[in-house]
Amino acid sequence: EAQVTQNPRYLITVTGKKLTVTCSQNMNHEYMSWYRQDPGLGLRQIYYSMNVEVTDKGDVPEGYKVSRKEKRNFPLILESPSPNQTSLYFCASSLGGGRSYNEQFFGPGTRLTVL
Amino acid sequence: DQQVKQNSPSLSVQEGRISILNCDYTNSMFDYFLWYKKYPAEGPTFLISISSIKDKNEDGRFTVFLNKSAKHLSLHIVPSQPGDSAVYFCALIDGGATNKLIFGTGTLLAVQP
Repeated sequence: EAQVTQNPRYLITVTGKKLTVTCSQNMNHEYMSWYRQDPGLGLRQIYYSMNVEVTDKGDVPEGYKVSRKEKRNFPLILESPSPNQTSLYFCASSLGGGRSYNEQFFGPGTRLTVL
Repeated sequence: DQQVKQNSPSLSVQEGRISILNCDYTNSMFDYFLWYKKYPAEGPTFLISISSIKDKNEDGRFTVFLNKSAKHLSLHIVPSQPGDSAVYFCALIDGGATNKLIFGTGTLLAVQP
């Protein structure tokens, strides 16, 4: 089954404790992105990757890191989480640029709470 | 500065009637427009899209209308069904080099049986 998986689905942590949210897709997609969803703000892009070893900042990259060492994986790293990073996070992938970028496939989400 | 706005946070419609969801944008550089649907505890799923060279695209019960002069996008669902109850996000693609996808704030649609 074609899908985007994220782990963990739920995470409660404390300020400053490094964490990684994993994202994996099995569709051989080139494009991958991370978004956060907050009430009244919709989904905002954190980082995106156009291919292996090619990443760039989205709209809200501060406090986050990403890496793309393999095509299928795109982990999101919070080196020193803070309470304002409490949010619902989504990973997404798509075939590539242009019109195929339209049909982004989203993972089920990771609800992160930073105390 | 919010480039994409969905001014109605929620909408309630009777089953069988038309649902109209609206989206306004400020940047005329957007060249592709999409709607995503999101159920609770799931990720958004792509619903329908339209290119800036068109003013209407239809797919079954779903029709998207684009009014470029008014910078306005709408999604019509006819007839509405209880299974359509979800949050709907409009999303716009900046036609520049990054092909960035910019989402609206979402509208919660409730279709009453």
